[in-house]
Amino acid sequence: GAVVSQHPSWVICKSGTSVKIECRSLDFQATTMFWYRQFPKQSLMLMATSNEGSKATYEQGVEKDKFLINHASLTLSTLTVTSAHPEDSSFYICSARDRIPYEQYFGPGTRLTVT
Amino acid sequence: AQTVTQSQPEMSVQEAETVTLSCTYDTSESDYYLFWYKQPPSRQMILVIRQEAYKQQNATENRFSVNFQKAAKSFSLKISDSQLGDAAMYFCAYRRWFATGTASKLTFGTGTRLQVTL
Repeated sequence: GAVVSQHPSWVICKSGTSVKIECRSLDFQATTMFWYRQFPKQSLMLMATSNEGSKATYEQGVEKDKFLINHASLTLSTLTVTSAHPEDSSFYICSARDRIPYEQYFGPGTRLTVT
Repeated sequence: AQTVTQSQPEMSVQEAETVTLSCTYDTSESDYYLFWYKQPPSRQMILVIRQEAYKQQNATENRFSVNFQKAAKSFSLKISDSQLGDAAMYFCAYRRWFATGTASKLTFGTGTRLQVTL
């Protein structure tokens, strides 16, 4: 099956700094990518949807200036957490969707810890 | 808005036995897909099974099968001959299919944690 990679798999950063997470579709072109956040023992919460070459569409309540999403190519999307604070600590999962039949594949996730 | 409900936060099954996980959904649409995803301790989301709403036949994938009741808006997952590796969080998900030939985002349920005991 199709593979989606995420880098880094875990990251620790200091409060006030920014951190970038990369999401790549390795063997297919992803017209749409999704970014999720998951708290322990909870479901996935969609943060934003991005289409290649377009601005991301953020879900209600998600700060677009804090969580910057760039989908520069059909195989790469990035999530930048700006001015991170401890409450941003979480597990972030990206997902890439191919063309027909719009199958959606998930990356392995990134654990972010802000100290 | 579409909603997906999983009423069983936790389930337990003995190895080699059968277990059924429940899922109900609410939608006014007629064209949609339903999914079961597995999230093991590694937290990698894995697609278990997919059901197209227009298909009356229930989907099966080896030991995994679904009971799709469209009128009742119910979509349960049956795991037969449970194995230790089946222990995971299981999420039910809904995705709408548009007449334009595109799909909506996934709507997830809250998940069911499945324990498999010896």
